[in-house]
Amino acid sequence: QKEVEQNSGPLSVPEGAIASLNCTYSDRGSQSFFWYRQYSGKSPELIMFIYSNGDKEDGRFTAQLNKASQYVSLLIRDSQPSDSATYLCAVNVGGYQKVTFGTGTKLQVIP
Amino acid sequence: SAVISQKPSRDICQRGTSLTIQCQVDSQVTMMFWYRQQPGQSLTLIATANQGSEATYESGFVIDKFPISRPNLTFSTLTVSNMSPEDSSIYLCSADGGQPNTEAFFGQGTRLTVV
Repeated sequence: QKEVEQNSGPLSVPEGAIASLNCTYSDRGSQSFFWYRQYSGKSPELIMFIYSNGDKEDGRFTAQLNKASQYVSLLIRDSQPSDSATYLCAVNVGGYQKVTFGTGTKLQVIP
Repeated sequence: SAVISQKPSRDICQRGTSLTIQCQVDSQVTMMFWYRQQPGQSLTLIATANQGSEATYESGFVIDKFPISRPNLTFSTLTVSNMSPEDSSIYLCSADGGQPNTEAFFGQGTRLTVV
């Protein structure tokens, strides 16, 4: 079983719709969860991070964490063509430990 | 948040040669990480670099191929040695946020092509 799993997509949504990106992880000891956005040929950039169960909102982005189900998601409201990118889910087991990345979900926002 | 300067941004190298990639962080960080991203793939951790000690390598990566230096709390280098076309990838350095459980920040990446 992969440590961090994501559907590779592509996930296609129309402009203005809500995009829902999902991620599951295997290590129950995981403490920190991150979403990175990566445009083609560029480095990943941090979008959201979440440590506690529940929802965390930042502008058009909402991260949702359910530790019991080992599930973390990212919602993008009012999706824009500029949101088209690969979204990487990342998990940290705590402390100064390494961050493990999923394979990423490619999002396409159709104008 | 930390700002990481990575160089070179890209290079084309002959097989059998070596390339050293540098990462400079604008603040002191405990851990620095080196990742590889092969075309169409996600990020794979090569090694973790802690100042004052040898780097810790992930399965499938060895020091002879990817020697790492971490001379102080703001700087690290990764060398890709005796390169082959299979080493063509994007290499990324990353640093922790300075506190446990904080997000990792990335350099701009080095796009390496081995011919």
